[in-house]
Amino acid sequence: AQSVTQLGSHVSVSEGALVLLRCNYSSSVPPYLFWYVQYPNQGLQLLLKYTSAATLVKGINGFEAEFKKSETSFHLTKPSAHMSDAAEYFCAVSGNNFNKFYFGSGTKLNVKP
Amino acid sequence: DTGVSQNPRHKITKRGQNVTFRCDPISEHNRLYWYRQTLGQGPEFLTYFQNEAQLEKSRLLSDRFSAERPKGSFSTLEIQRTEQGDSAMYLCASSPGQGAVDEQFFGPGTRLTVL
Repeated sequence: AQSVTQLGSHVSVSEGALVLLRCNYSSSVPPYLFWYVQYPNQGLQLLLKYTSAATLVKGINGFEAEFKKSETSFHLTKPSAHMSDAAEYFCAVSGNNFNKFYFGSGTKLNVKP
Repeated sequence: DTGVSQNPRHKITKRGQNVTFRCDPISEHNRLYWYRQTLGQGPEFLTYFQNEAQLEKSRLLSDRFSAERPKGSFSTLEIQRTEQGDSAMYLCASSPGQGAVDEQFFGPGTRLTVL
């Protein structure tokens, strides 16, 4: 079975500061991992995905995530936060059949001017 | 716009009424998913279609819920005898159903409020 834990339901950073959003997963099979972003009143948009190739994955809008099997983690980072990054971020894990994704409870990112 | 579309975007209903939501996936996507998202939580899987076949249903999908995907195109999700606990955002997603990694593309959701 798969599951995801996102530590910190709310994260606040200053504009220009490092963004770090944490995601730990549990999976009985080699996982596929995803980060999605959700802006208010909108659907989820894919930021990046881990597909068992490179462990450091680059996504859109300057975000990247590193897959660490030993730590069962897939944390999302961005070197310099922009005001437009304020949104809710969801980590998701899928098994190898992609029948469903298991989502974490989300982290709301607030960016202060 | 060729993304996933959902209608209606908002639905307010009284307890006990039936409601139906529609999802139009990205053209030629074989897989279609329904999720439910409540306040402060991530999306929870409800059900999944491969073309017109409903292949998996979550235990969250009680007998009052039914989903269809006739002809493998659009899908509908019906909730009968709605309860206040059904109030949530209902998300639809689709994926190509091919290739090594089958990422899901989400629609904007239908927000249901049961009074």
